[in-house]
Amino acid sequence: IQLTQSPSFLSASVGDRVTITCRASQGIYTYLAWYQKKPGKAPNLLIYSASTLQSGVPSRFSGSGSGTEFTLTISSLQPEDFATYYCQQLNSYPYSFGQGTKLEIK
Amino acid sequence: QLQLQESGPGLVKPSETLSLTCTVSGGSISSRTDYWGWIRHPPGKGLEWIASIYYTGSAYYNPSLKSRVTISIDTSNNQFSLTVTSLTAADTAVYYCARENYDNSGPLDYWGQGTLVTVSS
Repeated sequence: IQLTQSPSFLSASVGDRVTITCRASQGIYTYLAWYQKKPGKAPNLLIYSASTLQSGVPSRFSGSGSGTEFTLTISSLQPEDFATYYCQQLNSYPYSFGQGTKLEIK
Repeated sequence: QLQLQESGPGLVKPSETLSLTCTVSGGSISSRTDYWGWIRHPPGKGLEWIASIYYTGSAYYNPSLKSRVTISIDTSNNQFSLTVTSLTAADTAVYYCARENYDNSGPLDYWGQGTLVTVSS
């Protein structure tokens, strides 16, 4: 199953609302997770089952979608949110990741 | 608190074999609700899922790597391992081990810190 994220690069300012899209090549129900990746750090799970917020993750992060189209929304960007974001499908092995969306400061 | 720690060589030569081990602490690798996986992150590229294993030894592999990769589990020592053969420069990456939590439909919720493996002569 291939995952395509858009956009690949996103420039935004602190306080902005941003949305990242992940499209699957076939239906995956809600078996989708989102991760945040910062340089030199392990990925951090943000969202699982498409819309469930992982414990400890700020509520400004939210996820939605089912089937083949999913979104990750950050309601009000904070300085610590500038990172690369990846979606991952968990519907069937081999699990696969999207190519990533790099969120940069404008 | 569950913790995972990768160990292995930082530098390996082309055509050689890489062996990495992930030691799990703060929980049991024999948990019936978890798989254990390896993921890598090549420099300048995206994340790549490599393989996962259950405590029974049941394993799944990325088809693009399956001919060169073996994942194994040692429940007595709470460890699981990854072997990659016939290394090339394209295998240079940070390698992570992680838990797949099936109570929550399989996301990778605990990760090791990662270990950089460089393939170079």
